[in-house]
Amino acid sequence: QKEVEQNSGPLSVPEGAIASLNCTYSDRGSQSFFWYRQYSGKSPELIMSIYSNGDKEDGRFTAQLNKASQYVSLLIRDSQPSDSATYLCAVFYTGGFKTIFGAGTRLFVKA
Amino acid sequence: ETGVTQTPRHLVMGMTNKKSLKCEQHLGHNAMYWYKQSAKKPLELMFVYSLEERVENNSVPSRFSPECPNSSHLFLHLHTLQPEDSALYLCASSQEGILAEGGIGSYNEQFFGPGTRLTVL
Repeated sequence: QKEVEQNSGPLSVPEGAIASLNCTYSDRGSQSFFWYRQYSGKSPELIMSIYSNGDKEDGRFTAQLNKASQYVSLLIRDSQPSDSATYLCAVFYTGGFKTIFGAGTRLFVKA
Repeated sequence: ETGVTQTPRHLVMGMTNKKSLKCEQHLGHNAMYWYKQSAKKPLELMFVYSLEERVENNSVPSRFSPECPNSSHLFLHLHTLQPEDSALYLCASSQEGILAEGGIGSYNEQFFGPGTRLTVL
């Protein structure tokens, strides 16, 4: 069974710090990796996509992918209270043409 | 309208009612999805339609019946639901495809609608 694992948290960081969110996946046949942000009572919002090994930066967000170790991470620099949300990791498996979502990590940024 | 829209945003129904949830995507995508999200639980994939054909049905009870008349519209027909079916129902769409190694593109990114908050009394 294909799995996507995330630490449920909560992860608490002070304002201005770097928040580091991690995700591991079980199937090496995966191709696309995504991070979603979900505020309480709202729907998930795509914030990062990464397809190749290495880092991808977009503003304060950096996604890191290591296919050999089967992990993907999200760094949030200069964390703000508005970043407080649940962050979902998602992995697209080419073999089954299926996206698997992790259970999410709750992030609290303290002002 | 842009993105993915869902109606109604809130729905309260009795166990004997029949209702339908509607989803419409304005992104030109070729795949649409229904998810269920209960309180403090992860997303549960219910149904997937690719090119208007159902390709995934994750052991969902028959009281949930999906319909995809075209690539832009998706419905979830509800009948004789149970209180435990109360949840946030999310629709999503994506452009399915295979990305060549080292290629660039935005395949398989799922974009979600705002959801329908369903309460079954």
